[in-house]
Parts: sequence; C-alpha cells; structure tokens
Amino acid sequence: QSVLTQPPSVSAAPGQKVTISCSGSSSNIGNNYVAWYQQLPGTAPKLLIYDNSERPSGIPDRFSGSKSGTSATLGITGLQTGDAADYYCAAWDSILSAGVFGGGTKLTVL
Amino acid sequence: EVHLVESGGGLIQPGGSLRLSCAASGFTVSNNYMTWVRQAPGKGLDWVSVIYSAGTIFYAESVKGRFTISRDNSKNTLYLQMNSLRAEDTAVYYCARGGGTSFDPWGQGTLVTVSS
Repeated sequence: QSVLTQPPSVSAAPGQKVTISCSGSSSNIGNNYVAWYQQLPGTAPKLLIYDNSERPSGIPDRFSGSKSGTSATLGITGLQTGDAADYYCAAWDSILSAGVFGGGTKLTVL
Repeated sequence: EVHLVESGGGLIQPGGSLRLSCAASGFTVSNNYMTWVRQAPGKGLDWVSVIYSAGTIFYAESVKGRFTISRDNSKNTLYLQMNSLRAEDTAVYYCARGGGTSFDPWGQGTLVTVSS
C-alpha cells in the first residue's frame, strides 16, 4: 500500500489530454514539493516535473504539474503514442522522514 | 554530461550481504544529495535511502538497521551496503542525484535477487 494514491491506469486517444491524480496527506504533499516521473518500458525513471510545477530542461510544455492542498495532478496534452508509460508521483514525508512514491499509473494511448 | 552507473547486483542467498556501487561522472557526489530507489519486479518505485551533502542520512523503515548508505569522495562513488537480505529485497536498485523528491538523473539500475 503506497503512501501516495494514484489511479492504476488511465487511457486516452492520440492528440487528447489526460490528467493523473496523486493524493496524499499534510505530512507529505500538503507541506512538501511534489515531483513526477515517467518510466518507459524497460528503462529507468525520468524526471518530468519538480517543485510541483517546474519542468526540467528538455521536457516539453505538453507536460504540466499542479498542486492543491494534499493532492497533485500531472497533465499531458497532445498525447502521443510515445507517451505510453508508467507515471509516478513523489514527495517527502515529514513524519516518516523518508521519500514516498505513488503506486504508479499506467498510461495507455489508444 | 551527468551520468550514473550502478554495479554490484547479483544473486544472493537470504541472510547474505551485498554492496552496490554508483559511479558518478559530470558532477561531484559529495556536493549533492544522493538517493537510492528500488523497484521489485513488476512493481512500483520504492524509496530506500538518501545522503545529504552535509552527511545527514535517512532510511526507509523497511531497510533501517540492515542497509547503510555511504560515499567515497575520492572515487566520486555512492554505495549501498545491504546486510541480512530478504526475499522482499529483490529488486532493481537505482541511484539518483537529488534528495527530497527531485531525482535527476537516474542510473540504469542493477538487479539484486535474493533467493536460495
């Protein structure tokens, strides 16, 4: 059971928009930054979003992040078949004094 | 270019020990937060440990007392000493630059299999 809660799967057609939610608590998302990672099949995770909504260089602006209270959301617009991957949210938990991840969301681009 | 390469994984019996290495290039390990994350086969990401540039260390409850994170500044390398290994420690172990939540980049991972 993950500390952060994500939907197991989402799907959408190419060109469409999808959002992935990540729910936590005041000890993690509520008072700390959230990051999002993309993991393509057979590869290491890649940082997509940090500090709730910032994109590292090289990440297209089709990817966006937001946070409200104890929840965060990853948005992907203009879906491409290459976006099919597992997506994870992450935060620091101040009570556990440990990093925590969501269980991951499998994105299918139909 | 910033790059991380893990090594040291393999097949180990329950109760055994293993030391993972993470060789860094393009940046200085001791000036950065460094983190270990693992992923059991077919499962999600699982945070393991972090070492801050100042030396502060945190562990996941599941590995506390069994795993030790460290670094060798002269070799610009991060380590994870794993003792009293259990079947549930079987996973691909990744090292990554960063702490808190922002890990970038990640290494390619090294597989640890704990089985008799």
